[in-house]
Amino acid sequence: EPEVTQTPSHQVTQMGQEVILRCVPISNHLYFYWYRQILGQKVEFLVSFYNNEISEKSEIFDDQFSVERPDGSNFTLKIRSTKLEDSAMYFCASSDGGRTGFGFFGQGTRLTVV
Amino acid sequence: KNEVEQSPQNLTAQEGEFITINCSYSVGISALHWLQQHPGGGIVSLFMLSSGKKKHGRLIATINIQEKHSSLHITASHPRDSAVYICAVRLINTGNQFYFGTGTSLTVIP
Repeated sequence: EPEVTQTPSHQVTQMGQEVILRCVPISNHLYFYWYRQILGQKVEFLVSFYNNEISEKSEIFDDQFSVERPDGSNFTLKIRSTKLEDSAMYFCASSDGGRTGFGFFGQGTRLTVV
Repeated sequence: KNEVEQSPQNLTAQEGEFITINCSYSVGISALHWLQQHPGGGIVSLFMLSSGKKKHGRLIATINIQEKHSSLHITASHPRDSAVYICAVRLINTGNQFYFGTGTSLTVIP
């Protein structure tokens, strides 16, 4: 069964450092998403990406965040200068059409900022 | 302010019981999703609804657009159904902007 793969599964970083979270979406999917879940809180939408550009983003997704699809297979989320409050589980998802919404999720990357 | 409210927050059931999880929302939506989050954190999309009812195995999801309410039912519950069930809505007039409920933590006891 096709799956969305995220790496690493857990990343610890110092405050102020840049991190890149990586995702390999399902190969024929066109829509890509990042979500985050702070421990004990609800899942929050960050950004959606289609046709090599951001199609929508939430107010959480400020200038510290960026997304890229550098090589046609990977989909990355970069946080430029991490803050303690960026500690969360980050989920990548992909779908084959916008109408299906969530599609398939990756297993998540747990980011811990110390 | 929570645009999506779920109830109950926590639910414990005996194996075999019929389970209902409720979701109410206060915004205009184009679709509602039910998601399942496993204890390890992974998320699986269960249903997308824009009207009526859908069934998949022992899971049934219904939505009432006029009342802004959806329910997820699990028939003949099993311990492997233990997970957090999350309701999420796609805002109308947006492509992919979603609001999530806080989830219902279900534990099914053998």
